[in-house]
Amino acid sequence: GNSVTQMEGPVTLSEEAFLTINCTYTATGYPSLFWYVQYPGEGLQLLLKATKADDKGSNKGFEATYRKETTSFHLEKGSVQVSDSAVYFCARPDTGRRALTFGSGTRLQVQP
Amino acid sequence: SQTIHQWPATLVQPVGSPLSLECTVEGTSNPNLYWYRQAAGRGLQLLFYSVGIGQISSEVPQNLSASRPQDRQFILSSKKLLLSDSGFYLCAWKDGRGGELFFGEGSRLTVL
Repeated sequence: GNSVTQMEGPVTLSEEAFLTINCTYTATGYPSLFWYVQYPGEGLQLLLKATKADDKGSNKGFEATYRKETTSFHLEKGSVQVSDSAVYFCARPDTGRRALTFGSGTRLQVQP
Repeated sequence: SQTIHQWPATLVQPVGSPLSLECTVEGTSNPNLYWYRQAAGRGLQLLFYSVGIGQISSEVPQNLSASRPQDRQFILSSKKLLLSDSGFYLCAWKDGRGGELFFGEGSRLTVL
């Protein structure tokens, strides 16, 4: 079935460091791709999305580019802040496109 | 605008007791509704989804059940809780146009 693979965490960075969280997906067609963020004790919030190949989703300084050649949707931010500390999930539609399949999540810890 | 609420936010229950978690959506009609579970330190597991009143699809056979008595209401239940039912339960909705899910605040269940 459709799946998403994320790099394992935790990722620990100093403030203002560059962030990359890797995400790859199984290539069945050209699904929409999503990044969600979960702050401690809260539900998931949509961070950004891309609906077709070569699209770049962006929000709050985060970016991710839909790359069909490498079946990847890596999340990047040029300068992280302590407030970015959270768990980040990559997601794609599941078989039948009724729901979303999520990666296992990557915890980001940003230290001042 | 659309909003989603779920309650209770936290719940501590003894093994063998019943469970009822409720989720309601406002500002949209005929949404797809979802229940996910997030075990400690792990990703999201789809439990149930519903495309309409009285229509429930179960993704994982287990100790839980779901019901949709009204268009914008989704309930997660159990007759007898197990220790393994502990986790963070997330309700979500999706409309017919976009592919993204919108999540509630989550309900943390601890079974002792």
